[in-house]
Amino acid sequence: DVVMTQSPLSLPVTPGEPASISCRSSQSLLHDNGYHYLFWYLQKPGQSPQLLMYWISNRASGVPDRFSGSGSGTDFTLKISRVEAEDVGIYYCMQGLHIPLTFGQGTKVEVK
Amino acid sequence: EVQLVESGGDLVQPGGSLRLSCAASAFNFNNYHMYWIRQDPGKGLVWVSRINQDGSATIYADSVKGRFTISRDNAKNTLFLQMTSLRVEDTGVYYCAKDGGRSNPDYWGQGTLVTVSS
Repeated sequence: DVVMTQSPLSLPVTPGEPASISCRSSQSLLHDNGYHYLFWYLQKPGQSPQLLMYWISNRASGVPDRFSGSGSGTDFTLKISRVEAEDVGIYYCMQGLHIPLTFGQGTKVEVK
Repeated sequence: EVQLVESGGDLVQPGGSLRLSCAASAFNFNNYHMYWIRQDPGKGLVWVSRINQDGSATIYADSVKGRFTISRDNAKNTLFLQMTSLRVEDTGVYYCAKDGGRSNPDYWGQGTLVTVSS
């Protein structure tokens, strides 16, 4: 199985400041079609996960542009340009190229 | 807006069985792959199974293969997960999710809790 490793696992943030989460996969996530099958989800407190980003850097519908994704091959990053209070929760990366689909351990983002 | 509503979760003894359901609405259910995903008590997410649009192709995580069966009723817009020979490690919140067209779940239900304990 493809192992997805996130860091850090806990991220205290100050509203208005930037934040960054890293995700590394144990195998390449590059499909023959040229897309990397790397996705980001956010699980807000008391809610189910919601899709944030697909194919590394494409924001899902309704996701604010303060969220951005980057990376290639096996190393990926999710950035929040200016954290807002509503951004707290657990962020997960997920690979969709190899079966079984696998998720990172999650990064808990909390306001300081 | 897409709605997915799971039901059927319960407390069950090891070795027992359970059938989960997921009622879908506000999208063309029979056009999409569907998933079951478990969230462990420690908050880890584990992909369990996927079914294609007409139910002819299914795939499972190794940990549940031979014990769980995913199915769907497209006439009733409902997804199922039949769980047998349940183990303590099957405990968690089970989410059904709709495929986003890129081999990824996009919309998730609110989840149903399965607890396997004696």
